[in-house]
Amino acid sequence: QVLLVQSGAEVKKPGASVKVSCKASGNIFTDYYIHWVRQAPGQGLECLGWVNPNNGGTNYAQKFQGRVTVTRDTSITTAYMELNSLTSDDTAVYYCATLKDGVVKYGFDSWGQGTLVTVSS
Amino acid sequence: SYELTQPPSVSVSPGQTASITCSGDKLGDKYVLWYQQKPGQSPVLVIYEDTKRPSGIPERFSGSNSGNTATLTISGTQAMDEADYYCQAWDSSIAVFGLGTKVTVL
Repeated sequence: QVLLVQSGAEVKKPGASVKVSCKASGNIFTDYYIHWVRQAPGQGLECLGWVNPNNGGTNYAQKFQGRVTVTRDTSITTAYMELNSLTSDDTAVYYCATLKDGVVKYGFDSWGQGTLVTVSS
Repeated sequence: SYELTQPPSVSVSPGQTASITCSGDKLGDKYVLWYQQKPGQSPVLVIYEDTKRPSGIPERFSGSNSGNTATLTISGTQAMDEADYYCQAWDSSIAVFGLGTKVTVL
């Protein structure tokens, strides 16, 4: 497993952007794809996309295409999720989670502690 | 887009068996994962690859997947098992989650 530590809570105005970081430690960074999942207050889990730490390849949920960017910096074993054009509907806790070697049958075996992003005027 | 359907809630008496279903089109052809989430905490993987338990997950948690339905079973349910449970599958390499089932231990 991997220890994931996320950046702190953010408050943003509608139309702004937010960038959340996720620092990984405890295992080889390039062995784990980093996925981003959010949870609106009182709601379920929703995936935004992921990054392959080996080559920076990405894939995004159709709902967020063009509005989300997931990147990584292997030198500091950190992944990032940037979401643009924020609205109140984007108010949620954002999690990073790992998928070993990108193998789907393994599931997300490590999760960050979550970052609350509040969008309010 | 692919959808997974779960019952909103399940109630169970301590020591009894709780079964949580997750339905989706040809779900048996996909890998299903299950997560437990307690209030204010991050989700925890309790079942992967349809039926397998990660290390540290009690034996009372088991899973199955066939046809259009996957099931998470908690045998001998304990008060500590009260939580939200989410099933998850994959659609075009993107994780898809059910809306979650709240398990209440009465």
